[in-house]
Amino acid sequence: DVKVTQSSRYLVKRTGEKVFLECVQDMDHENMFWYRQDPGLGLRLIYFSYDVKMKEKGDIPEGYSVSREKKERFSLILESASTNQTSMYLCASSLGLGEGETQYFGPGTRLLVL
Amino acid sequence: AQSVTQPDIHITVSEGASLELRCNYSYGATPYLFWYVQSPGQGLQLLLKYFSGDTLVQGIKGFEAEFKRSQSSFNLRKPSVHWSDAAEYFCAVGALNDYKLSFGAGTTVTVRA
Repeated sequence: DVKVTQSSRYLVKRTGEKVFLECVQDMDHENMFWYRQDPGLGLRLIYFSYDVKMKEKGDIPEGYSVSREKKERFSLILESASTNQTSMYLCASSLGLGEGETQYFGPGTRLLVL
Repeated sequence: AQSVTQPDIHITVSEGASLELRCNYSYGATPYLFWYVQSPGQGLQLLLKYFSGDTLVQGIKGFEAEFKRSQSSFNLRKPSVHWSDAAEYFCAVGALNDYKLSFGAGTTVTVRA
């Protein structure tokens, strides 16, 4: 089974702090994704990566950056956290065949910015 | 670009009754379609997916979905729900040569005894 893990289930940060969310997958997947989930809005793609050190912006990249130094690890960075970034953050990975293939999700990190 | 609409925000169903969740997609070519379930406080788990072939797809936990191209729909069904089916359900659409998926806003299912 594919396993996607996220470093924290719950985080509380203060406005202006730099925040790191970590995601690790153990199935040698090429693609990794960061989403945020808000009630009534479903999942919105922040960034994705299709290879080590490669990244592309998703639908809502503003205020976020990402890092992928190793294939199995994909980090989401909030450079200066703001209250409107309070949300559930979900990481996912997929094999990477470029055919809309299945994405596998981690358990999520619920972030509260005060 | 592809998009997904889930018309029902919230559905309440009695335990043992049937369930149908609606999903409509917008995409010009043949879509790749998915249903995911999210239990409270958890990540998303894949229920089933459609890529091609038989338009009636069987998934885990007794769920099935039917792809209807003429209606641009991919509705999820379960003949008899269990209390453990209370969750949020997301429909998603993908496309050939595109790594990304577009998700609907989700439908929350409440199961009453």
